Amino acid sequence: QKEVEQDPGPLSVPEGAIVSLNCTYSNSAFQYFMWYRQYSRKGPELLMYTYSSGNKEDGRFTAQVDKSSKYISLFIRDSQPSDSATYLCAMTQTSYDKVIFGPGTSLSVIP
Amino acid sequence: DAGITQSPRHKVTETGTPVTLRCHQTENHRYMYWYRQDPGHGLRLIHYSYGVKDTDKGEVSDGYSVSRSKTEDFLLTLESATSSQTSVYFCAIRQGGDSPLHFGNGTRLTVT
Repeated sequence: QKEVEQDPGPLSVPEGAIVSLNCTYSNSAFQYFMWYRQYSRKGPELLMYTYSSGNKEDGRFTAQVDKSSKYISLFIRDSQPSDSATYLCAMTQTSYDKVIFGPGTSLSVIP
Repeated sequence: DAGITQSPRHKVTETGTPVTLRCHQTENHRYMYWYRQDPGHGLRLIHYSYGVKDTDKGEVSDGYSVSRSKTEDFLLTLESATSSQTSVYFCAIRQGGDSPLHFGNGTRLTVT
């Protein structure tokens, strides 16, 4: 079993839809959680960075962490064609530890 | 791109030849990382550095070596390239403390 699992997709939604992207993990010691967006032939770009359980909102993006279930989510409201990309979740035990990535979910937002 | 430059951006090389990839940062961050990204595997850590001359192995370090003689530069060397090392290589930096990784735009390496 991989440490971090993600639905690979591809996920295709109409413009304006609410998108839910999810990751599960096996290591209960993970405390820091990140979401990255990666466009084709570019490096991953940080979207959200959260510590421990709870929600964090930034514009159209909301990150949710449920440590009891070892489950994290990224919600995108009012999705736009420019949101079409691969989304990577990542996590680490402490802020100095190695960061472990999920395999990524490919999202297409259709106009 | 958080002040990270990777060079070269593309490289084609033959099996058995040595290859060095360079990561240069202008952020003066302490931590630097090399990842490779392959379909079905996502991002996997090759090596990382927590200071000048201080490096450690990641999960896929076999066949790779690194060096960091200055804060701003982190070099990844493939001593004798193999076809299995065809991949996209990403450098990342991290300030330390309560901070996430920031990535460069990658080097696409093809070993024929």
